[in-house]
Amino acid sequence: DTGVSQNPRHKITKRGQNVTFRCDPISEHNRLYWYRQTLGQGPEFLTYFQNEAQLEKSRLLSDRFSAERPKGSFSTLEIQRTEQGDSAMYLCASSTTGGLRDTQYFGPGTRLTVL
Amino acid sequence: QKEVEQNSGPLSVPEGAIASLNCTYSDRGSQSFFWYRQYSGKSPELIMSIYSNGDKEDGRFTAQLNKASQYVSLLIRDSQPSDSATYLCAVSPSSNYKLTFGKGTLLTVNP
Repeated sequence: DTGVSQNPRHKITKRGQNVTFRCDPISEHNRLYWYRQTLGQGPEFLTYFQNEAQLEKSRLLSDRFSAERPKGSFSTLEIQRTEQGDSAMYLCASSTTGGLRDTQYFGPGTRLTVL
Repeated sequence: QKEVEQNSGPLSVPEGAIASLNCTYSDRGSQSFFWYRQYSGKSPELIMSIYSNGDKEDGRFTAQLNKASQYVSLLIRDSQPSDSATYLCAVSPSSNYKLTFGKGTLLTVNP
């Protein structure tokens, strides 16, 4: 399978715990995006990387959120001291700056439930 | 605040009919426009991309863009029950940049 993969697919945690999600983009895609989607809403942009450089963070992203893409391949999104309001689907997407223009392909998402 | 507006629906059409989905956007500088389909509990799947004014057809799907009116639409011909999903309109100010999504329109195709 050469699509975007995300792990875990589901995460249930207690308020105050830290969680980390992983995204593996399509091979050789140099752009990687994180979005968050809550019920009844469209995905909201969180942050994106070109290779290993984090180029932009949404003002929605509080200091409890951090993302990395250390070698320009997979990325991790960590949420510290989770809150119930963090419950959402966390989506990763990747794209290439060449080829099919700027199409972003989404992974299956990680559904986070904070109790 | 750059916004993308869609009717939330639900939009209900009979099988075989044409479904028409609409989207308006506030950022006049937007350059890239996308329609994604999202089944319940799944992630968005790209249906169409469009970058220039006019129509773009791909099988049963036609995307229409009017930058002067800041309007983009998606027509689905010969609708099938398997088309029942939420359709998300997404807009970007430039190539290879973050997407701003609407809330989506729930489409139901009745057999």
